[in-house]
Amino acid sequence: GENVEQHPSTLSVQEGDSAVIKCTYSDSASNYFPWYKQELGKRPQLIIDIRSNVGEKKDQRIAVTLNKTAKHFSLHITETQPEDSAVYFCAASTGDDKIIFGKGTRLHILP
Amino acid sequence: DTEVTQTPKHLVMGMTNKKSLKCEQHMGHRAMYWYKQKAKKPPELMFVYSYEKLSINESVPSRFSPECPNSSLLNLHLHALQPEDSALYLCASSQEGRGTGELFFGEGSRLTVL
Repeated sequence: GENVEQHPSTLSVQEGDSAVIKCTYSDSASNYFPWYKQELGKRPQLIIDIRSNVGEKKDQRIAVTLNKTAKHFSLHITETQPEDSAVYFCAASTGDDKIIFGKGTRLHILP
Repeated sequence: DTEVTQTPKHLVMGMTNKKSLKCEQHMGHRAMYWYKQKAKKPPELMFVYSYEKLSINESVPSRFSPECPNSSLLNLHLHALQPEDSALYLCASSQEGRGTGELFFGEGSRLTVL
């Protein structure tokens, strides 16, 4: 079955700097790669997603890149702000209607 | 209505109890999911109901059983649970199904098994 690896597990960056979180997946049939943000005590919410026919997608300060050959995708957050502090999960679709999550990255934005 | 509604928000039950968690969406989404989330862990898929077909994560014990009365409702029946089953249970729906669309999560049902 699908396995999604996510690194790092914890990331601290100075406010205003950039943050990068990386994920790899194992299922060649995966074609959809969302990123979710979960603030403490709240539900996960989609922040950006990318499909396998696209290499990069950007939405304001957030961007995602996908390398299908390497089975690797990354989240980039620029000009980080205090409200970016949260847990971020990458995820990947499987060939059988499921979405599997990585273990998560706890992002701390330092003042 | 863009909400996924879960009830109850909190549930405490003994190991011999039978209870149910309920999930409802009125967005016309074709897929609904149950995830289990332990503290500081990712959501772990339990069940998917997509295009009128139920898929089960094989690692989920039989003391959890899903029920889909109609396309807007997905219940999770609980019986003879163990303390390690204490967790946040998240319901989600997706317009596209097939694991290829945004998941809209409910606020979750926090379950404590004594």
